[in-house]
Amino acid sequence: GAGVSQSPSNKVTEKGKDVELRCDPISGHTALYWYRQSLGQGLEFLIYFQGNSAPDKSGLPSDRFSAERTGGSVSTLTIQRTQQEDSAVYLCASSGGPSSATQYFGPGTRLTVL
Amino acid sequence: KQEVTQIPAALSVPEGENLVLNCSFTDSAIYNLQWFRQDPGKGLTSLLLIQSSQREQTSGRLNASLDKSSGRSTLYIAASQPGDSATYLCAARGDSNYQLIWGAGTKLIIKP
Repeated sequence: GAGVSQSPSNKVTEKGKDVELRCDPISGHTALYWYRQSLGQGLEFLIYFQGNSAPDKSGLPSDRFSAERTGGSVSTLTIQRTQQEDSAVYLCASSGGPSSATQYFGPGTRLTVL
Repeated sequence: KQEVTQIPAALSVPEGENLVLNCSFTDSAIYNLQWFRQDPGKGLTSLLLIQSSQREQTSGRLNASLDKSSGRSTLYIAASQPGDSATYLCAARGDSNYQLIWGAGTKLIIKP
C-alpha cells in the first residue's frame, strides 16, 4: 500500500505570503503528526491529530500557523504571512493510533521563504 | 523537560568497520526510544524501537541498546556499507504523552 505522501515537495515563497502544505496519511491511520526540521536541528513537534478528538496544537510556534484534518484523513498545514525563519522541512507522519508506537513519515515539504 | 543529544554530529568511517552512534536523554521517564534513518530528500524510516522495559533490539546488522538509568542509547552498526550512509536520528517518547523528543542526528558517511 501507499505510504505517507506530502505535497508540494518544494515550495519557494516570498516573505509575507501564505502557504499551504498537504499531507495524505496511510489509509486507516487515525493519528497524524506534523513536525518541522530546521537546518542542522532535530525535529520539532508542531501538531497532533487523533481521530475525532481535538488536536494538540501545543507545538505550533505562533498564531500564524494552523492545521486542519478533513474527514479524519488528509491534513493541511497553513502558514500565514510567512517569515524567513519559517524556512524548514515540514514532515508529516501517521500511525495506527495513540498507543501504536511506530510513526510512518512522508518525504517532507522543503519550504524556503525569501 | 526532556532533552535528547546525539554525539558526534558527523562521522566518516571506511567501509567494513563496526561503529557506534550515541544518544543521550536527560529524563529517564521514557515510554520508548526509537532510532530512525533519514536519507536526503526522503522521509524518516524507523529502524529500531526499544520499549522502556527492554535493554536492546536487533535487526540485521543493527543493534540498539537502552540504559535508562544512565540516560543512554546506542546504535551499533556491524560491517558498515556505503549504503548505510545517512543521518541517524534518535527520539524519546515520554511516559506521560505521545510526543517524541528528537536529537539533532548524526550524519554518517561510509567511505568505499
